[in-house]
Amino acid sequence: GNSVTQMEGPVTLSEEAFLTINCTYTATGYPSLFWYVQYPGEGLQLLLKATKADDKGSNKGFEATYRKETTSFHLEKGSVQVSDSAVYFCALSSGAGNMLTFGGGTRLMVKP
Amino acid sequence: DAGVIQSPRHEVTEMGQEVTLRCKPISGHDYLFWYRQTMMRGLELLIYFNNNVPIDDSGMPEDRFSAKMPNASFSTLKIQPSEPRDSAVYFCASSLTQYSYEQYFGPGTRLTVT
Repeated sequence: GNSVTQMEGPVTLSEEAFLTINCTYTATGYPSLFWYVQYPGEGLQLLLKATKADDKGSNKGFEATYRKETTSFHLEKGSVQVSDSAVYFCALSSGAGNMLTFGGGTRLMVKP
Repeated sequence: DAGVIQSPRHEVTEMGQEVTLRCKPISGHDYLFWYRQTMMRGLELLIYFNNNVPIDDSGMPEDRFSAKMPNASFSTLKIQPSEPRDSAVYFCASSLTQYSYEQYFGPGTRLTVT
């Protein structure tokens, strides 16, 4: 079946540091890949997506590239801010209905 | 658009009581999902609907849980009787068409069962 594996957190960085959160997946077919972000006390929000191999999703300074050869979709940001502190979820589409398979989430803490 | 609306935002109840959580999806969306989030188990899909019809309820933990979608703009998740292990944040999400995959989440209902 489909699965998503994320690096365990928390990830603690200083402001302006470079961020990488690893995500690898197992899936049949050609899934779409997503990063969602959850700020404290809120629901998940779509951060970025990629629908086919080699696509790069980007939003708010975050980027992730769909790597089919390594089945990965790592999230990166060149310079994090305190306001980026949140939990980040990697997800893939299962092809069944509109279902998504989520990873376990990675908590990011950015210190001033 | 107002986004996905959930009520109540917080619910505290005693073990054995009935709990009803409510969700209004984004207008026009034809898929609706109920999730549960806990520290121990992360984010779990409980059930989802397409055009008001339940499609997959394999994530519903047990018979104490039931979900309905009487029309395109309203869904409920009911727990009867509630137990302390049901304490979690429950999210509703909706999406449009079979091929978009983007789900829009509500703010969640934090349920505490004492």
